[in-house]
Amino acid sequence: GEDVEQSLFLSVREGDSSVINCTYTDSSSTYLYWYKQEPGAGLQLLTYIFSNMDMKQDQRLTVLLNKKDKHLSLRIADTQTGDSAIYFCAESPPSGGSYIPTFGRGTSLIVHP
Amino acid sequence: SQTIHQWPATLVQPVGSPLSLECTVEGTSNPNLYWYRQAAGRGLQLLFYSIGIDQISSEVPQNLSASRPQDRQFILSSKKLLLSDSGFYLCAWSGSSNTIYFGEGSWLTVV
Repeated sequence: GEDVEQSLFLSVREGDSSVINCTYTDSSSTYLYWYKQEPGAGLQLLTYIFSNMDMKQDQRLTVLLNKKDKHLSLRIADTQTGDSAIYFCAESPPSGGSYIPTFGRGTSLIVHP
Repeated sequence: SQTIHQWPATLVQPVGSPLSLECTVEGTSNPNLYWYRQAAGRGLQLLFYSIGIDQISSEVPQNLSASRPQDRQFILSSKKLLLSDSGFYLCAWSGSSNTIYFGEGSWLTVV
């Protein structure tokens, strides 16, 4: 079955870069997503990448996609304390299939001074 | 632009009492609608999804139910709450792009 895997925790020092990794299994996914969840809040769509792209950059965020290895990463440059949150990786439903995206369990990013 | 709202934001209910969480989407028509539960701030569990009025699929057997009385309204209900129903409930929607957008969440504590 489909599964999205990501590590549960990442701790970084303020000002350093953070890299959150994710592996997925469904090669027919059209989009891959990163969501950010701050404490007590809903999930906020942070960025996404189309499956025919290798990289997408948006200010401090860089998304890298290795479709051959089914590996997705999110790099946050100059990490700030406000970046502390849970980050969820997700893949879109397979084309022509269900309407249900598959989410990872989330990576807790802890930024310390 | 599209917006999604759910309420109430927090709820404390005794065991055995009923539940009603409401969610509405604005700025789009015929959205796919979802109810998720998140326990202990971790992974998301899909409870229900709907691709149209009166078309609701249940993913997990439980004492919860969902209804979609209008195109952009999704309601999560229970006749008798259990302690294990406590958690953070998230409503979400998606459109033709299949990108999913979440509401603000509702904290339910069953005491």
